[in-house]
Amino acid sequence: GESVGLHLPTLSVQEGDNSIINCAYSNSASDYFIWYKQESGKGPQFIIDIRSNMDKRQGQRVTVLLNKTVKHLSLQIAATQPGDSAVYFCAENDRGGSYIPTFGRGTSLIVHP
Amino acid sequence: DAGVIQSPRHEVTEMGQEVTLRCKPISGHNSLFWYRQTMMRGLELLIYFNNNVPIDDSGMPEDRFSAKMPNASFSTLKIQPSEPRDSAVYFCASIDSTGGTYNEQFFGPGTRLTVL
Repeated sequence: GESVGLHLPTLSVQEGDNSIINCAYSNSASDYFIWYKQESGKGPQFIIDIRSNMDKRQGQRVTVLLNKTVKHLSLQIAATQPGDSAVYFCAENDRGGSYIPTFGRGTSLIVHP
Repeated sequence: DAGVIQSPRHEVTEMGQEVTLRCKPISGHNSLFWYRQTMMRGLELLIYFNNNVPIDDSGMPEDRFSAKMPNASFSTLKIQPSEPRDSAVYFCASIDSTGGTYNEQFFGPGTRLTVL
């Protein structure tokens, strides 16, 4: 029979607007978090990371916010550009020393010119 | 550095055939991961090597799947026999975990596998 695809959350924005992508994580022991960007036909690419001893970290046009109380992570993209259109994944690592991250389902960002 | 290299980029095969996917991690990285990505299940970890030794293969779906890492610069993921439900994009990723601190994974471009 026909397979049903996974429906990713989608965020549509206009070029120049700011974008906020949210992620809820489940493991309270996680102490390292990463945001990845995956463009069509490519592998996930590192954007920015944050450790649990921080609640905010800024990069070029991107900011990651971490709220450990509610286990919530967000990625803010300033002045969103068409080239930002992609699927964005958050990933978490726990204190067990394993280098195996747990990936979220992803959010599709669509930037309209 | 050329980054993580995967081959082939696309593979189309018929059910029952053997498929071998290849990966060259970034030089100096000591950990390697194989992932499978589908629309239904998202990104799934299949197996993880550290210093060429398989550490966690709990994500390998069944005995038809096997992975090897004969040396620090090469790994293979083999499916024998292949089935249509194995159709997916397979990613290899590597990481430098020697410092004892967390670092981001570097992903290859993926191999798109289609089993007819």
